[in-house]
Amino acid sequence: NAGVTQTPKFRILKIGQSMTLQCTQDMNHNYMYWYRQDPGMGLKLIYYSVGAGITDKGEVPNGYNVSRSTTEDFPLRLELAAPSQTSVYFCASTLAGRNIQYFGAGTRLSVL
Amino acid sequence: GESVGLHLPTLSVQEGDNSIINCAYSNSASDYFIWYKQESGKGPQFIIDIRSNMDKRQGQRVTVLLNKTVKHLSLQIAATQPGDSAVYFCAEYAINQAGTALIFGKGTTLSVSS
Repeated sequence: NAGVTQTPKFRILKIGQSMTLQCTQDMNHNYMYWYRQDPGMGLKLIYYSVGAGITDKGEVPNGYNVSRSTTEDFPLRLELAAPSQTSVYFCASTLAGRNIQYFGAGTRLSVL
Repeated sequence: GESVGLHLPTLSVQEGDNSIINCAYSNSASDYFIWYKQESGKGPQFIIDIRSNMDKRQGQRVTVLLNKTVKHLSLQIAATQPGDSAVYFCAEYAINQAGTALIFGKGTTLSVSS
């Protein structure tokens, strides 16, 4: 079972560049989430989606955008990369609210 | 500050010992808690969960205890093995500006020596 799949695993960006972090899940989950994890810290919610066509901001949304055109995919877009966005990004999904969230393996991003 | 936190950032144990990882939360309205394990270079992996209508739940070699009076939960790992070495996070579902969201603590790093 694939579960939650994230690509790429690693990426180095220059300041001002843009990129899209991909996330797809094959569990037919309605809810999907994007988190960032800074060194030695827990995860902070960037954006989430409760279904196709619906997205909402989390705790730290500035500098990011998302879209949810299908149930399976939830890409995260960085338009103008900044050093403060250097982090590990995790995508997660769950069938409905207040349930176990299942995580991908993460994307390690460095902005130099 | 964060609503979920852990008492100790690191815990070192010998193989075969029992491990206890503690977590304090501040939102008395939280009614669902999850423990995750994160190995180096991987995403968080579900270990066990507990709802607020319970005070204890057991899994395979793991037990979670919830004390709502003092807003404290703990994860007990029996007969700790080297493969248990990882960072452990407690998380609670709480209401914040994002609606109902899963809030993570900072994590406790468990090191198991053989």
